[in-house]
Amino acid sequence: DQQVKQNSPSLSVQEGRISILNCDYTNSMFDYFLWYKKYPAEGPTFLISISSIKDKNEDGRFTVFLNKSAKHLSLHIVPSQPGDSAVYFCAARRVGINKFYFGSGTKLNVKP
Amino acid sequence: KAGVTQTPRYLIKTRGQQVTLSCSPISGHRSVSWYQQTPGQGLQFLFEYFSETQRNKGNFPGRFSGRQFSNSRSEMNVSTLELGDSALYLCASSDPSGDLYGYTFGSGTRLTVV
Repeated sequence: DQQVKQNSPSLSVQEGRISILNCDYTNSMFDYFLWYKKYPAEGPTFLISISSIKDKNEDGRFTVFLNKSAKHLSLHIVPSQPGDSAVYFCAARRVGINKFYFGSGTKLNVKP
Repeated sequence: KAGVTQTPRYLIKTRGQQVTLSCSPISGHRSVSWYQQTPGQGLQFLFEYFSETQRNKGNFPGRFSGRQFSNSRSEMNVSTLELGDSALYLCASSDPSGDLYGYTFGSGTRLTVV
């Protein structure tokens, strides 16, 4: 049951430009969303999160937007840097349940 | 503080064998979750243990099992290994004492079944 989907397996962006990574979900009970970044041979590392009571959360170069009516969230990275090249996973959780559903990931390549 | 430690990092097993993977969570974290990552499938939830009890379970066959000890360390066992079990197995610990929290992942155990 793929309740969280990342439909773009890969994205290539020029250094200094904006990277936009998208994520769709199907379960309206999800109340908390996160983005993780993963480098090869390492575990995912937490990047940024957003609760369903908000529609935007910023942390430095990273901003996550949540559109509950469309069941869609996006991660914006501005400006993109070569060190941002990694696989990005979005994840969602239902109210009160410590179980996260992950998307299949988007591989971001930031070209110098 | 020390992160999540998974051992071993790499493992090669033969079909039909069984394997045990270990995970030591961040000190003070009582929740340990296990995920399987395969190419194109993202991270698939296996199970979560909290205070030595399995609290949540994913949709994996009974060959996949786990347990948690009183010090919160967790083990995952896969019996009768199949080629399709080859994957990166990730352990994550969390401290669900607040409303908003996420996981801290270990580096994973890469299991190859031949």
